[in-house]
Amino acid sequence: AQSVTQLDSQVPVFEEAPVELRCNYSSSVSVYLFWYVQYPNQGLQLLLKYLSGSTLVKGINGFEAEFNKSQTSFHLRKPSVHISDTAEYFCAVRLSYNTDKLIFGTGTRLQVFP
Amino acid sequence: GAVVSQHPSWVICKSGTSVKIECRSLDFQATTMFWYRQFPKQSLMLMATSNEGSKATYEQGVEKDKFLINHASLTLSTLTVTSAHPEDSSFYICSASQTGTSSYNSPLHFGNGTRLTVT
Repeated sequence: AQSVTQLDSQVPVFEEAPVELRCNYSSSVSVYLFWYVQYPNQGLQLLLKYLSGSTLVKGINGFEAEFNKSQTSFHLRKPSVHISDTAEYFCAVRLSYNTDKLIFGTGTRLQVFP
Repeated sequence: GAVVSQHPSWVICKSGTSVKIECRSLDFQATTMFWYRQFPKQSLMLMATSNEGSKATYEQGVEKDKFLINHASLTLSTLTVTSAHPEDSSFYICSASQTGTSSYNSPLHFGNGTRLTVT
């Protein structure tokens, strides 16, 4: 069965510092990988996605992620965070052969302090 | 860009009553919509896949008679929580993919969610 693990439930960081949010997945088949951001009481907004090709994916708001097949990871990074980046971040996988069904990780709360 | 509208955004109801939540794709057609449930500070759990013109596919452990899903048109899916109880209080989110786009590159568009509180 497929699964997604986000090891860090909370990540506190000061403004302008770099940040990495970790995501590992488990799947016996190829997957598509996504990062979503959720602001309080809102739905999810797509940050970036990996479908194929270059393993380094750039998304919105200055975020990027790197797909590492050997380590089954898809960590999200940002070189310099802002207060406005404070939110919940979800990693998700979608099976390549399946429809649009997403499996989400448990989420990481990024808290940026001034 | 593609927009998914969920209504209502907040609802409070009494125990034993039913609540209907609407999910609309405003500027695209969606053959398939998904309903998720999110408990406080937890991840999204897929409840069911809603297919236009056919029965919904429910995930294991989700009560079909409790959470009624109707997808009568290509732009509207509804989730009805029947005989709601306090334990049904949660954040419900729908998502939709655009009909005609390949699964490979089809982005999922999410609604802003509905906060249900059952008293």
